[in-house]
Amino acid sequence: QKEVEQNSGPLSVPEGAIASLNCTYSDRGSQSFFWYRQYSGKSPELIMSIYSNGDKEDGRFTAQLNKASQYVSLLIRDSQPSDSATYLCAVNNFNKFYFGSGTKLNVKP
Amino acid sequence: EAGVTQFPSHSVIEKGQTVTLRCDPISGHDNLYWYRRVMGKEIKFLLHFVKESKQDESGMPNNRFLAERTGGTYSTLKVQPAELEDSGVYFCASSQLQGAITDTQYFGPGTRLTVL
Repeated sequence: QKEVEQNSGPLSVPEGAIASLNCTYSDRGSQSFFWYRQYSGKSPELIMSIYSNGDKEDGRFTAQLNKASQYVSLLIRDSQPSDSATYLCAVNNFNKFYFGSGTKLNVKP
Repeated sequence: EAGVTQFPSHSVIEKGQTVTLRCDPISGHDNLYWYRRVMGKEIKFLLHFVKESKQDESGMPNNRFLAERTGGTYSTLKVQPAELEDSGVYFCASSQLQGAITDTQYFGPGTRLTVL
């Protein structure tokens, strides 16, 4: 079983729609959770971090964490073509980051 | 503030040769991490330095890989001798706060290694 699971996609949404990206993790002891965005050939860029159950909003992005279900999600409101990228879910467990394989998002104009 | 930098950006070598990758973390970051992404797979942890000490090297694939961080600043990752399966993108990341759950890792641009 992988530490972090993500649907590889691609997830296609029209411009202006809400994109919903999901991630599950296996270790209940995981402490903090991150979403990174990675454009092709570039390094992962931090979008959001979340540490406690519930929602955390930052601009058009909302991260949601449910530790009981071991589930993390990222909502992108008013999706733009520039949001098209691979979104990586990462889980921090005692300073060791475990990454999902990423979900490819396509936002169609 | 300068981000994490890595050198070279690309390296193409033949099987059996040696390659050394370099990472310069963000200034003041004591934590330095190496990761690798092979094609089609997720990014995987290799090892973690705190200053010049190896905190966790459980992800290093075998003894052909040697990481150093002399002086606690930049780090090098040497692959000797390189094998075909070592091809991939090697990322370096750094962070400031050891042990804090709010600690965030910032990634460098990566070194794409191709072993022919």
